[in-house]
Amino acid sequence: SQTIHQWPATLVQPVGSPLSLECTVEGTSNPNLYWYRQAAGRGLQLLFYSVGIGQISSEVPQNLSASRPQDRQFILSSKKLLLSDSGFYLCACHRGTNYGYTFGSGTRLTVV
Amino acid sequence: GDSVTQMEGPVTLSEEAFLTINCTYTATGYPSLFWYVQYPGEGLQLLLKATKADDKGSNKGFEATYRKETTSFHLEKGSVQVSDSAVYFCALSNQFYFGTGTSLTVIP
Repeated sequence: SQTIHQWPATLVQPVGSPLSLECTVEGTSNPNLYWYRQAAGRGLQLLFYSVGIGQISSEVPQNLSASRPQDRQFILSSKKLLLSDSGFYLCACHRGTNYGYTFGSGTRLTVV
Repeated sequence: GDSVTQMEGPVTLSEEAFLTINCTYTATGYPSLFWYVQYPGEGLQLLLKATKADDKGSNKGFEATYRKETTSFHLEKGSVQVSDSAVYFCALSNQFYFGTGTSLTVIP
């Protein structure tokens, strides 16, 4: 079965600082990978998805970026964080039509 | 386009009460349908699924039936427990389509 490792679990960063969140997947090859953000008390907002190495699609224009340097590695970055970047970030892998998603345990980012 | 509409929350119930969380969808073709649960501070976990019309998904006492005629996939549980307190998301198999989530709090 697929497992997603996501770290760190919590992060407090000052405004204007850079960001790097990492996600790795075990138990599958060539997965579709996703970054979602969840603001407090809100639903999921899709930020980026990737269907393969170096292939990134952005759903929401913002100061975040994503990269996929390896098949099972997905990275979310920012050069300069904003207060509005605070939230709960989830990495996910889509397992196919009949299986749905597997999610990582999330990173709680607070920008201060 | 495809979409999922989920019952607004928050929902607060007493222990052993009956739970229904409504979910309706719009989709081309015949997607699979899912319910995910998110416990406080955690990622989402798959709770149950149904892959075709009239299928009933079930897990941990929760059930949902894929109703093509009403395009619905309502989540039900006959007797909720405090440990069921979480946020519940309805989703289509077509990628990206999640409901907005329904927060459930069960009080003893």
